[in-house]
Amino acid sequence: QQQVKQSPQSLIVQKGGIPIINCAYENTAFDYFPWYQQFPGKGPALLIAIRPDVSEKKEGRFTISFNKSAKQFSLHIMDSQPGDSATYFCAALFSGSRLTFGEGTQLTVNP
Amino acid sequence: NAGVTQTPKFQVLKTGQSMTLQCAQDMNHEYMSWYRQDPGMGLRLIHYSVGAGITDQGEVPNGYNVSRSTTEDFPLRLLSAAPSQTSVYFCASGEGQGNYGYTFGSGTRLTVV
Repeated sequence: QQQVKQSPQSLIVQKGGIPIINCAYENTAFDYFPWYQQFPGKGPALLIAIRPDVSEKKEGRFTISFNKSAKQFSLHIMDSQPGDSATYFCAALFSGSRLTFGEGTQLTVNP
Repeated sequence: NAGVTQTPKFQVLKTGQSMTLQCAQDMNHEYMSWYRQDPGMGLRLIHYSVGAGITDQGEVPNGYNVSRSTTEDFPLRLLSAAPSQTSVYFCASGEGQGNYGYTFGSGTRLTVV
């Protein structure tokens, strides 16, 4: 049972564009919503995260928007660069110890 | 600091063989967990631990065993390998106690033939 749904599965943008990746969750008991970035052959790396009592968080070019009532959250990448090409996973953390991941989005940023 | 170290990086097993995937962290993290990554399915939790001596099942625990005798180590044992266990396995550790960031290892790519 997939408790976190992610879309789109793949995304291609031009350099400087603003890719947006969306996620929806079911369990209202999740207490933390991180995004992970993964390059081929590497493990996921924490990119940015938000708590459910916050509606938006920015770190550099990365922004999370969080809509608690709709049970949805999204990642925006401002001024995207070819080096941002990677697979992005949204996730939800339950009880501090159990991460549930979305299916992943493969992002390609063309020069 | 090495972070989270997984060994081996690659492994081929025959159906029915057993093996242990090793995971060690040097950050004194209380929380550790194992995930498997399959195409189009994200990462799925196999087993997790919130401290030495404490383990619990995740979403897909069947066919796997874990133990946590020390804070640093969290090995994953495949009891009798099956082709369905062909996957990339990731170990992760986290501080817990309100700090929610997890650090992942670089993974073990396992093929069961």
